[in-house]
Amino acid sequence: KAGVTQTPRYLIKTRGQQVTLSCSPISGHRSVSWYQQTPGQGLQFLFEYFSETQRNKGNFPGRFSGRQFSNSRSEMNVSTLELGDSALYLCASSYTGPGNTEAFFGQGTRLTVV
Amino acid sequence: GEDVEQSLFLSVREGDSSVINCTYTDSSSTYLYWYKQEPGAGLQLLTYIFSNMDMKQDQRLTVLLNKKDKHLSLRIADTQTGDSAIYFCAVIKAAGNKLTFGGGTRVLVKP
Repeated sequence: KAGVTQTPRYLIKTRGQQVTLSCSPISGHRSVSWYQQTPGQGLQFLFEYFSETQRNKGNFPGRFSGRQFSNSRSEMNVSTLELGDSALYLCASSYTGPGNTEAFFGQGTRLTVV
Repeated sequence: GEDVEQSLFLSVREGDSSVINCTYTDSSSTYLYWYKQEPGAGLQLLTYIFSNMDMKQDQRLTVLLNKKDKHLSLRIADTQTGDSAIYFCAVIKAAGNKLTFGGGTRVLVKP
């Protein structure tokens, strides 16, 4: 059974650009969550999607957005990149949600903003 | 809101047991996770425990939960050099959809 797949693994972008990250959950899982990991702030929740609907959102500016497709794959988008957006972005996959079933993480996308 | 605390660092000799501790503030947390992160990698789910359990054992891993003190621990028996990593505890409420993580404990296993 394939795990959670995040693409790309690494990205380098320039300030002001926008970026799209992708997450393919484990087959059959309908919940996808996104987290940002930085040395200073640790792991912070961005948002969670279930069956194409955003169920919860963290305290991030509107530049951070996401969506989920009918096949449960999810994308997150960051517009007008800032240096502080440099981080490891992790997505988590679970069957119905991490509060009900185990949450498995992907390898992450490391975004560097220069 | 929810707060989860972990000690920053643990050093242990190969073959000894490691105990990583975690405290949390929200007594309604029902699902408590332990994840492992190696350098440059994502989070690997090690184990989890429901709040209606006191203990869970899975091979070399033992999770203990003290609900009264809101204290969670992970014991790794016969610690190996491959266990060197950062360990995160995370908590969530039933039917919740946001994991709250501790800051991580860096475990260094010395030969």
